[in-house]
Amino acid sequence: EAQVTQNPRYLITVTGKKLTVTCSQNMNHEYMSWYRQDPGLGLRQIYYSMNVEVTDKGDVPEGYKVSRKEKRNFPLILESPSPNQTSLYFCASSLQGRYEQYFGPGTRLTVT
Amino acid sequence: SQQGEEDPQALSIQEGENATMNCSYKTSINNLQWYRQNSGRGLVHLILIRSNEREKHSGRLRVTLDTSKKSSSLLITASRAADTASYFCATDSNSGYALNFGKGTSLLVTP
Repeated sequence: EAQVTQNPRYLITVTGKKLTVTCSQNMNHEYMSWYRQDPGLGLRQIYYSMNVEVTDKGDVPEGYKVSRKEKRNFPLILESPSPNQTSLYFCASSLQGRYEQYFGPGTRLTVT
Repeated sequence: SQQGEEDPQALSIQEGENATMNCSYKTSINNLQWYRQNSGRGLVHLILIRSNEREKHSGRLRVTLDTSKKSSSLLITASRAADTASYFCATDSNSGYALNFGKGTSLLVTP
């Protein structure tokens, strides 16, 4: 089944404790992206990747890192999480950047 | 920056009625997409319309695009309770490959 998976689905952590949210797709898509969704602010793009070893900043990259060492994986790293990074995070992929995005189920992160 | 902006923010209708939501954007685009999100879940792609297209249909969905006004509309005909969800437009730009989503329209369809 074609899908985008994210882990973990729920995470509660404390300020400053490094964490990684994994994202994997099995569709051989070139483009992958991370979004955060906050009430009243909608969906905002954090980082995206056009292909392996090619990443670029979205609208809200501060406090996040990404890497794309393999085509199928695109982990999101929070080196020192802060409470303002409490949010619902979505990973998405597409064949090419400007086309239909396939979204993962989301990761609800709480930073206390 | 968020380029797409949906209107209205919230819409409540009864089953069988049509629902129309609009999206405005600021800069030139290659294409515009509409997505649906059921509460707290991942977004699902509905339809993509290219900048050289004016109208597109998919089942009960009808999307229009007016590039001169930088706006698009999504019409859901004969709505059902299962259409209750948030709807988002997403735009790319002529430069770069970032994708910008609006804040969404929350649609409630009551039986």
